[in-house]
Amino acid sequence: NAGVTQTPKFRVLKTGQSMTLLCAQDMNHEYMYWYRQDPGMGLRLIHYSVGEGTTAKGEVPDGYNVSRLKKQNFLLGLESAAPSQTSVYFCASSYSGHEGTEAFFGQGTRLTVV
Amino acid sequence: EDQVTQSPEALRLQEGESSSLNCSYTVSGLRGLFWYRQDPGKGPEFLFTLYSAGEEKEKERLKATLTKKESFLHITAPKPEDSATYLCAVQAGNDMRFGAGTRLTVKP
Repeated sequence: NAGVTQTPKFRVLKTGQSMTLLCAQDMNHEYMYWYRQDPGMGLRLIHYSVGEGTTAKGEVPDGYNVSRLKKQNFLLGLESAAPSQTSVYFCASSYSGHEGTEAFFGQGTRLTVV
Repeated sequence: EDQVTQSPEALRLQEGESSSLNCSYTVSGLRGLFWYRQDPGKGPEFLFTLYSAGEEKEKERLKATLTKKESFLHITAPKPEDSATYLCAVQAGNDMRFGAGTRLTVKP
């Protein structure tokens, strides 16, 4: 059981380049999330999805786009990378329901924009 | 706007020295408050979920409690392997918001 898998684990981009981060989960979860983690700032929510075909903005959505074409996959895109997007990116997934349920996290993607 | 504030930012303890971490929050319609542990270079790992004021959960040396405005993570007789960053998160709507975390170091 793989849980939540992120691809790639590391990436270096030049300013202005584009890339897509892939998140895949095999737990049949409805909810999926993309966070970025910077020193001293904890995890900040970029975008999230409550089901296949849906997406919503989080706290820091600017400069990112997402898509959820299949229930098990959640893609995060950077159209024109900037140095301010250097960060560690985490994907997570959880069940839905009236009561909150815990999220399961991937191992992270370390992105450097030079 | 939902807010989650954790204190202290960093905490250094001697092995066996008990202490508490604080998570204060302001949300409307709390669906759940979560505690996670994060080791360097890894994703957060789930510890506890608390749903209503007065609720308590325990796991080994950790005990989480919840009031209407804050949650505490009590660490009893910590060991060096408890060293990690502890994250608090709240879920009110469909999203989950995190605090900045408390970095705990336990010295032998």
